Amino acid sequence: DQQVKQNSPSLSVQEGRISILNCDYTNSMFDYFLWYKKYPAEGPTFLISISSIKDKNEDGRFTVFLNKSAKHLSLHIVPSQPGDSAVYFCAASTRKNTGNQFYFGTGTSLTVIP
Amino acid sequence: EAQVTQNPRYLITVTGKKLTVTCSQNMNHEYMSWYRQDPGLGLRQIYYSMNVEVTDKGDVPEGYKVSRKEKRNFPLILESPSPNQTSLYFCASTPFSGLAGANEQFFGPGTRLTVL
Repeated sequence: DQQVKQNSPSLSVQEGRISILNCDYTNSMFDYFLWYKKYPAEGPTFLISISSIKDKNEDGRFTVFLNKSAKHLSLHIVPSQPGDSAVYFCAASTRKNTGNQFYFGTGTSLTVIP
Repeated sequence: EAQVTQNPRYLITVTGKKLTVTCSQNMNHEYMSWYRQDPGLGLRQIYYSMNVEVTDKGDVPEGYKVSRKEKRNFPLILESPSPNQTSLYFCASTPFSGLAGANEQFFGPGTRLTVL
């Protein structure tokens, strides 16, 4: 059963506009959330993260928002650039005695149109 | 160069023939993990290791084994591969053990495995 869901398989945005990628989760025990970007034939690369005790984290053009009551987080990319075209994965972690266990969404393919 | 390496990058094998996919990191990271990526299912964690000799199951551990005898290496073992283990596999590492919060994971380039 998918505990982290990305309901939009794809998204197209004009260059310079805002890209908003969404993610929903079901497990209230998740304490950290992360976004990764993945290009074809490469491993995912970390973008930005947020602790469950915060509601916003910003890093340059990337901002992650967390709404715990709705169990929803989103990634905003402003302004979008053609190089941002990639698959974006949302991830969440829960802490166990043996370390963190991670759960990923199914990904959203972002295309930024020049 | 700081990196996570995986070998082999591509492998075609037959059902039941034991195989090992190696993973090595040169960043002195404590936490290492294996994932598989399948269409429509995203990335799913197979096993993870907080430190040497400490491993635990992720979301989809069935049919896999791991060991962590040294800090830098975390091999993934398929004792008797089956066609449903055909997938793209990623190894990842993180500086901290994970107990103090989640840190960014550095991913390897992936291993594409086909089991006939």
